[in-house]
Amino acid sequence: QKEVEQNSGPLSVPEGAIASLNCTYSDRGSQSFFWYRQYSGKSPELIMFIYSNGDKEDGRFTAQLNKASQYVSLLIRDSQPSDSATYLCAELNYQLIWGAGTKLIIKP
Amino acid sequence: GAGVSQSPSNKVTEKGKDVELRCDPISGHTALYWYRQSLGQGLEFLIYFQGNSAPDKSGLPSDRFSAERTGGSVSTLTIQRTQQEDSAVYLCASSLAHVSPLHFGNGTRLTVT
Repeated sequence: QKEVEQNSGPLSVPEGAIASLNCTYSDRGSQSFFWYRQYSGKSPELIMFIYSNGDKEDGRFTAQLNKASQYVSLLIRDSQPSDSATYLCAELNYQLIWGAGTKLIIKP
Repeated sequence: GAGVSQSPSNKVTEKGKDVELRCDPISGHTALYWYRQSLGQGLEFLIYFQGNSAPDKSGLPSDRFSAERTGGSVSTLTIQRTQQEDSAVYLCASSLAHVSPLHFGNGTRLTVT
């Protein structure tokens, strides 16, 4: 069964530090990978998507994909209290498979 | 531009009643998903529509649940004879194509009393 694994957390990071969120997946055929942020009581919102091996940067966010090792990561630089949320990763081949999410807490 | 629109935003219903939840996707988006999310839980896939293809209904939890998508646009999720365990937030998402990122609506919070 295809799975996406995330540590549920909570992951506590001091303000200003780098938050590192990781996700492993089982489907070697996966083509697309997505990171979503979900605030409590709100819908998921897209942060990053990545299709190719390597790094993709967008502002304070960097997505890293390693298809050989089957993991995708999200780095958040200069973490802010407003980054506190649950982060969901998802991978797509024929089906879209979601991780259960990692709760991130940024401590002032 | 307009995002994914869901209505109603909140619905309280009595056990045994039928409910209809509506989703209006982003214009031009061919893919439409329904998910369910209980408090503190992850996303539970319900159903997926892609263009004119037959929908993937593999996530519907029982035959009380059904969904349709008319004209490749608006979708309605219907829950018949609601039960208390149906209480959750029902999320709709659309995407431009199968491999494109999903855009979520604000959800419908369903409470069955």
